[in-house]
Amino acid sequence: GDSVTQMEGPVTLSEEACLTINCTYTATGYPSLFWYVQYPGEGLQLLLKATKADDKGSNKGFEATYRKETTSFHLEKGSVQVSDSAVYFCALSGKGAQKLVFGQGTRLTINP
Amino acid sequence: GAGVSQSPSNKVTEKGKDVELRCDPISGHTALYWYRQSLGQGLEFLIYFQGNSAPDKSGLPSDRFSAERTGGSVSTLTIQRTQQEDSAVYLCASSPGRRGLADRDTQYFGPGTRLTVL
Repeated sequence: GDSVTQMEGPVTLSEEACLTINCTYTATGYPSLFWYVQYPGEGLQLLLKATKADDKGSNKGFEATYRKETTSFHLEKGSVQVSDSAVYFCALSGKGAQKLVFGQGTRLTINP
Repeated sequence: GAGVSQSPSNKVTEKGKDVELRCDPISGHTALYWYRQSLGQGLEFLIYFQGNSAPDKSGLPSDRFSAERTGGSVSTLTIQRTQQEDSAVYLCASSPGRRGLADRDTQYFGPGTRLTVL
């Protein structure tokens, strides 16, 4: 079945550092790919998405590119802030409004 | 507009009791999903509705779990004879679900119901 593997956490960085959280997937067909973020005490929020190969999703300074050849969707940010501290989930869904399959989540802590 | 809402936000119950969790999706969204988030299992899919029918119930962990959706809108997840391992945050999400829409696959989540079974 479909699956998502995320970089093991937790990840701790200093403010203004560069961030990469790795995400790879296994799926039949051509899924849509998502990053969701969960801030402390809050629900899941969509951060960005990409629906086809070579698409780049971006939001709040974060970017991820749908790489079909490496089945990856790594999350990147050039300069992180303390307010980026959260748990980040990579996910996929098959075409046609199907269920999301999530990675295990990566807890990110940014120190001032 | 209004997002996905869930009630109650917290529910504490005794082992063996039945509980009902409610989800109000975003207006006009035809697809509705239930997930469970627990420490040991991460985020797990439970059930998916398209309109009032459930084409995918594959994630329901046992026959103690059931869900229904009425009027293509509100959904209720029912857990009968609750067990301690049912303790988790139950999340509801909705998506547009209609063909031809650019974001038909994008799911928007509610704040969740935290269920504690004593």
